[in-house]
Amino acid sequence: DAGITQSPRYKITETGRQVTLMCHQTWSHSYMFWYRQDLGHGLRLIYYSAAADITDKGEVPDGYVVSRSKTENFPLTLESATRSQTSVYFCASSEAYEQFFGPGTRLTVL
Amino acid sequence: QKEVEQDPGPLSVPEGAIVSLNCTYSNSAFQYFMWYRQYSRKGPELLMYTYSSGNKEDGRFTAQVDKSSKYISLFIRDSQPSDSATYLCAMSGGSNYKLTFGKGTLLTVNP
Repeated sequence: DAGITQSPRYKITETGRQVTLMCHQTWSHSYMFWYRQDLGHGLRLIYYSAAADITDKGEVPDGYVVSRSKTENFPLTLESATRSQTSVYFCASSEAYEQFFGPGTRLTVL
Repeated sequence: QKEVEQDPGPLSVPEGAIVSLNCTYSNSAFQYFMWYRQYSRKGPELLMYTYSSGNKEDGRFTAQVDKSSKYISLFIRDSQPSDSATYLCAMSGGSNYKLTFGKGTLLTVNP
């Protein structure tokens, strides 16, 4: 299906484990973004990418790692999960200012 | 001062009412303004997109931008229960297409 997909949709993990959240888009958009959404904070940018192999930090990058070897994929890795990383994570893509969001991954860190 | 301020609500209105949602911002470099709608447990979806000042209308929705006051609005006419959602304002002015979001306003339209 065309669009932007995220997997898994739900994930429960334990403190200290490594977790990778996947994002895939079929539009060949140059830009991709990772956000987390928490009550009281709204959407906060974690990392973004302007093209394959070009990534940069957003507002809250600590504890996260990204890579982008292919234009269509933008995985987000939590190297050692902490309880404070319990959140809903959204991936988005764009070719300009209009960003299109995926359905989100709800992550719980116990 | 936060770059973008948005009243979180919640806002509850009867069906058919006119709804006004607002954001203020502090960064005068912002030129691109968006409104997103987010249903519960879903991703945000783009509703309206405006460049610089002025009005834009799309069906029951009207977006207004007043750059002199650093104030943007979204009006919903003849509101419907299906409009019940969180509305997020977003804006940008940079060349890297990053958006700055408001925290969102939760709207409930009661039948």
